[in-house]
Amino acid sequence: AQTVTQSQPEMSVQEAETVTLSCTYDTSESNYYLFWYKQPPSRQMILVIRQEAYKQQNATENRFSVNFQKAAKSFSLKISDSQLGDTAMYFCAFMVNTDKLIFGTGTRLQVFP
Amino acid sequence: GAVVSQHPSWVICKSGTSVKIECRSLDFQATTMFWYRQFPKQSLMLMATSNEGSKATYEQGVEKDKFLINHASLTLSTLTVTSAHPEDSSFYICSARGGGVDYNEQFFGPGTRLTVL
Repeated sequence: AQTVTQSQPEMSVQEAETVTLSCTYDTSESNYYLFWYKQPPSRQMILVIRQEAYKQQNATENRFSVNFQKAAKSFSLKISDSQLGDTAMYFCAFMVNTDKLIFGTGTRLQVFP
Repeated sequence: GAVVSQHPSWVICKSGTSVKIECRSLDFQATTMFWYRQFPKQSLMLMATSNEGSKATYEQGVEKDKFLINHASLTLSTLTVTSAHPEDSSFYICSARGGGVDYNEQFFGPGTRLTVL
């Protein structure tokens, strides 16, 4: 079975600091996609960043970057220069061959001023 | 990016009645739509996948006679909760996926909060 594990239910960080959210997954497939989604209090799901498994280079989107370790099946999200608006639930997700998304249990991030 | 809407955003109904939730892709053709359920402080649970013009594929444990899904066009999918009961109260989210370069990306609607009294 394919699973996604987020071992940090809650995290907190001070504004302008850097925080890393962890995610591990389990699959026997070699071709897949990994995602980080943000769900703010409005509950609208927002795509933060995406990584294709066949790409060795880690994806980066402005203040957001990932550390993709394929052999270790690890996909952590680093948020630099944290802002108050980053406060949200963050879900790691996994997809094989354009099939359905499999979500982790989420990490609640609180950014303090 | 692509926009997906849901209607209504919040609905309250009496136990035993049926409720229909609409999911629309506003600026792209959605070949596949997904319906999720989210309980408070929990993750998204996929209920079913629907492709335009064909029957929905339900996840294990989801009652297909209770949660009716219709994907009648490339821009509209509906979820009908039949004979709703208080345990059906939840947050329902749809997502849509179209063709083209971003085929691997799902675009999410804003969700519908269902409260069954």
